[in-house]
Amino acid sequence: DQQVKQNSPSLSVQEGRISILNCDYTNSMFDYFLWYKKYPAEGPTFLISISSIKDKNEDGRFTVFLNKSAKHLSLHIVPSQPGDSAVYFCAARAPWGGSNYKLTFGKGTLLTVNP
Amino acid sequence: DTAVSQTPKYLVTQMGNDKSIKCEQNLGHDTMYWYKQDSKKFLKIMFSYNNELIINETVPNRFSPKSPDKAHLNLHINSLELGDSAVYFCASSQPPILAANTGELFFGEGSRLTVL
Repeated sequence: DQQVKQNSPSLSVQEGRISILNCDYTNSMFDYFLWYKKYPAEGPTFLISISSIKDKNEDGRFTVFLNKSAKHLSLHIVPSQPGDSAVYFCAARAPWGGSNYKLTFGKGTLLTVNP
Repeated sequence: DTAVSQTPKYLVTQMGNDKSIKCEQNLGHDTMYWYKQDSKKFLKIMFSYNNELIINETVPNRFSPKSPDKAHLNLHINSLELGDSAVYFCASSQPPILAANTGELFFGEGSRLTVL
């Protein structure tokens, strides 16, 4: 059961344009959503997050939007740069007893930004 | 001075062997994890460890985490099978209530295990 879904395996955009990566989830217990970026042969690195009580969080060129009623979030990158080319993972956090949490990841979307 | 380091980066071995992947973090984090990324590209949690095993997803008991101290969480795999071939990622985090953050994970570079 995929609780976090990234239905687009890949996305290609031109440098300078907007990249929009989408993510859907099914578990209403998720309280935080995170985006991770992964280059080949490296581990994922944290990019940006959003609390379930907010609908937007912005950090420089990266903005994450959350539509809780639709159980949908998206990551916008504006303007896109060739160095943004990577796999982007959507992740959702759920409580796991006490102060512990569990992150559930989607399959990732490969973003290619063409010069 | 890599924050989370794993060794080896690549491991090729025969079915039935026993192998270990080591993980060390120098971030002072309390919790460490093992994730598996299989051919379908999902990153699935296997274990979460903070002085004791917190999360133990439905992995075969051939897999066992061993933590000699807070900075290390090694993954031992016995009687390796073809289906164990995957990339294994170690990660660490601080509990959100202590770090006032989302408890984001810091990942190692991954260890690619190939079972022949």
